[in-house]
Amino acid sequence: GNSVTQMEGPVTLSEEAFLTINCTYTATGYPSLFWYVQYPGEGLQLLLKATKADDKGSNKGFEATYRKETTSFHLEKGSVQVSDSAVYFCALSPQTGGFKTIFGAGTRLFVKA
Amino acid sequence: NAGVTQTPKFRILKIGQSMTLQCTQDMNHNYMYWYRQDPGMGLKLIYYSVGAGITDKGEVPNGYNVSRSTTEDFPLRLELAAPSQTSVYFCASSPENYEQFFGPGTRLTVL
Repeated sequence: GNSVTQMEGPVTLSEEAFLTINCTYTATGYPSLFWYVQYPGEGLQLLLKATKADDKGSNKGFEATYRKETTSFHLEKGSVQVSDSAVYFCALSPQTGGFKTIFGAGTRLFVKA
Repeated sequence: NAGVTQTPKFRILKIGQSMTLQCTQDMNHNYMYWYRQDPGMGLKLIYYSVGAGITDKGEVPNGYNVSRSTTEDFPLRLELAAPSQTSVYFCASSPENYEQFFGPGTRLTVL
């Protein structure tokens, strides 16, 4: 079946450090891939997405590349800020039955000043 | 454009009480979803709907019911509240391109 595995947290970084949060998936065909972010006390909001292999999604300095060969969609940011402290969820929507998105367990990020 | 709205924001229930969590979206999305998020955990799908009059169970439907009489509204009903239903509940909607839009959540405590 379809599944998403992302690195466990929490991840603690100092301001301006480089961020990588790993995400791998299992799915048949060509799913769409997403990163969502959840700030404290709020609902999830879409951070970026990629709909086909080799696509790069980007937003607010975050990037992720859809790698079909390694079934991965790792989230990166070159220089994190305290305001990036949040929980990050990797997710996929299958090529068929696409309305049932599969979410990873989430990775909590703390950024220290 | 309000997006997805949920009411109430917070609620405390006694064991055995019932309540309805309201969810409304103004984006004309066909697909709507209810999730629960337990502390420190990811999302679990309770129910979903692909259009007015059509609903189906997700991973954890026991103890909940839904209805979808209009495109805009997707209420979630808890009939006999139990402590295991203490959680944060999120409603979401999506168009056919799969990106989901979430409401701000309802924090429910059952004592």
